[in-house]
This record gives sequence, C-alpha cells and structure tokens, in this order.
Amino acid sequence: DVKVTQSSRYLVKRTGEKVFLECVQDMDHENMFWYRQDPGLGLRLIYFSYDVKMKEKGDIPEGYSVSREKKERFSLILESASTNQTSMYLCASSFRGRVYNEQFFGPGTRLTVL
Amino acid sequence: GESVGLHLPTLSVQEGDNSIINCAYSNSASDYFIWYKQESGKGPQFIIDIRSNMDKRQGQRVTVLLNKTVKHLSLQIAATQPGDSAVYFCAEMVGGSEKLVFGKGMKLTVNP
Repeated sequence: DVKVTQSSRYLVKRTGEKVFLECVQDMDHENMFWYRQDPGLGLRLIYFSYDVKMKEKGDIPEGYSVSREKKERFSLILESASTNQTSMYLCASSFRGRVYNEQFFGPGTRLTVL
Repeated sequence: GESVGLHLPTLSVQEGDNSIINCAYSNSASDYFIWYKQESGKGPQFIIDIRSNMDKRQGQRVTVLLNKTVKHLSLQIAATQPGDSAVYFCAEMVGGSEKLVFGKGMKLTVNP
C-alpha cells in the first residue's frame, strides 16, 4: 500500500516562530505536493516538487518555502508563522507522466498559530 | 479534518439508497478527473478516476460519469452505507500539468 506520512497530526506554534512540516512517501513517487485546506475554500496548492531539488510555486506560495533534498521527503517551511496560517496542511505524492495519475494523500497536520 | 464539512453543500440520503454527487469542472482542456472521499480527521482518499476519452467508468459500488459537452462530472454510489458519510471532492488535471485542481466538495450524510 502507498504510504504518505506527515510528521505531526496536531501542532501549536506562536506567531513569528519558524515551523517545519515534514512529509515522507514510500512509493518512489517523483511528484510531491503541499496543500492547505480551509473551510469553504477547499484544497489549495502551496508548492509542488517534480524531482529532487526542483520546486514550483502553486496558487498560494506567499509566506511558505519548501525543501526537497531526498526523493522521498518534502518539507514545508513557514519562515515566520502568522495567525492566518492556521489551517489543515496536506501532503500528497504521485508518479510523474502516468496516464492515470492519482495523488496519494497523507493524514494531514492541523496547525494552530497563536 | 473535522472542519472540512463546514460551509459545504450537503446531500442527505437514506441507507440503501443510491447517491449521486455532481461536479462542474472549469477547464475544457482538462483530460483527467478524480473523485476523492475525505472522512472527518483524515486525508482525502482516492475513489475512482476517468480520462477524457471515456464517458463512464465503474468501480466497486461506484460509477463516474463524464460529460465533456457541459463540463460535468458525477459520482454515483450504489446502496449507500453509513460508512460512505464523508466529504467528496472532484478534481481535474490538464494534460501534462501534473497538478490537480480541486472542487469545493460536497458533504454526504447517510441516515440509518
């Protein structure tokens, strides 16, 4: 079974802190994604990585950065957390270039910024 | 998570009935479509997908229908069960983009 794991289920941080969210997948997927999910807004793409050290901005990259040093691991970084970054963060992964190319999701990290 | 279902349209059905969840997609260049299910406190889970060269695809108790003329996607769930209660999202992908664009979702409630 495909497994996408995220480092924390729940996280509480203070405004201004640097926050790291980690995601690991075990299916040798080329693509990895970070989304945030907010009530009424659905899933919005923050960043996308299609290979090690490669990244592409999604729809809402402001206030975030990412790191992909190894194929299986994709990190989301909040350089200086703000209250409007309180949200559910979801990581996903997929193969690249397949005809049927579903994304597999992790369980999510609920981040609260106080 | 627990707040996923807030602010969403809701479909309530009786256990054993068939459910139909609809989705209007936005991009006529999209050629791949997926339905996901998200239960409270969990990440989205793949249900079924379809490519634009098909208009119907069936899985176990689920069927996806695609109407490209009106840019409409539907998910049919046969003999709906309480375990089907969740939020359902459609997603579309433009060929070669590798990225999915998600719909807002619909909350399905199954009454015993």
